[in-house]
Amino acid sequence: NAGVTQTPKFQVLKTGQSMTLQCAQDMNHNSMYWYRQDPGMGLRLIYYSASEGTTDKGEVPNGYNVSRLNKREFSLRLESAAPSQTSVYFCASREGTSRETQYFGPGTRLLVL
Amino acid sequence: KNEVEQSPQNLTAQEGEFITINCSYSVGISALHWLQQHPGGGIVSLFMLSSGKKKHGRLIATINIQEKHSSLHITASHPRDSAVYICAVTLFNFGNEKLTFGTGTRLTIIP
Repeated sequence: NAGVTQTPKFQVLKTGQSMTLQCAQDMNHNSMYWYRQDPGMGLRLIYYSASEGTTDKGEVPNGYNVSRLNKREFSLRLESAAPSQTSVYFCASREGTSRETQYFGPGTRLLVL
Repeated sequence: KNEVEQSPQNLTAQEGEFITINCSYSVGISALHWLQQHPGGGIVSLFMLSSGKKKHGRLIATINIQEKHSSLHITASHPRDSAVYICAVTLFNFGNEKLTFGTGTRLTIIP
């Protein structure tokens, strides 16, 4: 099993460009998450999907959109990148409830100039 | 005020020392998680607790629900334990789906 995979690993964008971060899991998990991690701050939830076909906003959703394409894949889109979106992005998944372990992808380092 | 506070923020110790990292939270929770983030950036879940104590190898995690406090202990610390340790909770008022994270404790073990 590959677990949770993310692409790309690293990306540089210019302000105003768009891009999609891809995430896939092969553990048949229901719930998937997108977080961002910034220096001096804890991981912050951007969006999550409790099950295939549903998505909900997290703590910092502005400037992002998501798609739960199927049970395996959950993508994060930046329509018009801003320097404030420079961060490390992590995708995660878990079976379902709060009492389950959450599994994280390796992260995508994004730099917006 | 953050709902999840960790201490210390940074900790440097000699190999072999007993390590304690603390996590306090301010509201009711359904579960508490300890995570490890290595210098390469990957995040791994170490423990999930809702009560009592759990042990895995040299790592021990405890939680006191009444005091809203958890500790992560490392016995016989080793340089490979150097990492950022993150506490995260599922808050009752956020429902069952979302984790709230502490800012992490950076642990450095010197040979």
